[in-house]
Amino acid sequence: DSGVTQTPKHLITATGQRVTLRCSPRSGDLSVYWYQQSLDQGLQFLIQYYNGEERAKGNILERFSAQQFPDLHSELNLSSLELGDSALYFCASSPHLEGFAGYTFGSGTRLTVV
Amino acid sequence: DQQVKQNSPSLSVQEGRISILNCDYTNSMFDYFLWYKKYPAEGPTFLISISSIKDKNEDGRFTVFLNKSAKHLSLHIVPSQPGDSAVYFCAASVNGAGGSQGNLIFGKGTKLSVKP
Repeated sequence: DSGVTQTPKHLITATGQRVTLRCSPRSGDLSVYWYQQSLDQGLQFLIQYYNGEERAKGNILERFSAQQFPDLHSELNLSSLELGDSALYFCASSPHLEGFAGYTFGSGTRLTVV
Repeated sequence: DQQVKQNSPSLSVQEGRISILNCDYTNSMFDYFLWYKKYPAEGPTFLISISSIKDKNEDGRFTVFLNKSAKHLSLHIVPSQPGDSAVYFCAASVNGAGGSQGNLIFGKGTKLSVKP
């Protein structure tokens, strides 16, 4: 157990629907990162939050949004889902904003859009 | 445009021998490089890292080499063990691997199989 909890582990939904993925960071970690891994692709950075504020944005679609709550858990909202959104979505957390302290990844949420 | 490339999707090695996983990058601004290991149904786990001011970092059986002029890094595992069988991702970052931006650029991964 890495200490980063992602729910649900699996999600199957239809095109056009909206889903919410949840991430609880490791205790004490203030930064949360969301990554997408599509088939045969590396992990693509989506977005980072630090202590409730958005810090960096990557290749995140406008249909996707995220937030980090006061208790530091984060949610990734995916709407108007398309078949191509099927992927593994990973959340990671780290304690520091500056300097490297390492990412700890959750085990991911596998999203299947049918 | 892929900034971090792992050109070998898979690698098969005999137990006890050396495994060498390669990674190339294009962005000369990268100053921190990392290797992650991923087992099926689990998230990636941090393995080893290297700053651009070094050319080698060693941790037990794992050694990472960095050749800045060639924009190339490699991960050596000696001796390889069946438990090392996993997908290995190379990642890179600007400003100290996470700095104020926080994001890592990952390669597509290399699947290592270590045969007993």
